[in-house]
Amino acid sequence: GQQLNQSPQSMFIQEGEDVSMNCTSSSIFNTWLWYKQDPGEGPVLLIALYKAGELTSNGRLTAQFGITRKDSFLNISASIPSDVGIYFCAGQLRSRDDKIIFGKGTRLHILP
Amino acid sequence: NAGVTQTPKFQVLKTGQSMTLQCAQDMNHNSMYWYRQDPGMGLRLIYYSASEGTTDKGEVPNGYNVSRLNKREFSLRLESAAPSQTSVYFCASSPEAGYGYTFGSGTRLTVV
Repeated sequence: GQQLNQSPQSMFIQEGEDVSMNCTSSSIFNTWLWYKQDPGEGPVLLIALYKAGELTSNGRLTAQFGITRKDSFLNISASIPSDVGIYFCAGQLRSRDDKIIFGKGTRLHILP
Repeated sequence: NAGVTQTPKFQVLKTGQSMTLQCAQDMNHNSMYWYRQDPGMGLRLIYYSASEGTTDKGEVPNGYNVSRLNKREFSLRLESAAPSQTSVYFCASSPEAGYGYTFGSGTRLTVV
């Protein structure tokens, strides 16, 4: 089936650093989504992107829908301890009726 | 608070036992989903229900059955549990198929 390649798998950063992660696909997506999962909880939607080239921010988070429709990235500025968790990218292939496909996640660790 | 409620939160089963994981949402969503999450594998779709009265297989349906009891409730049944089904199970819902999902907080299942 369709797969999303999400990288890196894990990151260890110092508090205050900026973070960048990305997701690529061999197929064109019409929608890109970014979720965050806190330890012991379900994923929560952070940002949704619906147009190629779209750049959207949510506080310290910024995500972009790649112009080729085959990739997306998420940036976190000035990381804080509560940013720890797993970040998932997700996409829809064609129409709104398509199921959402999830990447395998990027686990973010913040060193004191 | 409105959302997706999963029960139980934790469960230990012996190989061969059966059980049903319950999921209910109070957001009047049409579509509901069951995922399993395993280390390094991300979120994999087991079954979904695009609307009340319909269910379809996802990526990893073997060993599971589902029932869309009504618009609010979508249950997942393990008829004869196996150690390979040890996982964290998430239920999710969306207003319609493919739209942004809201996840429950998960059921942590161990099969010994």
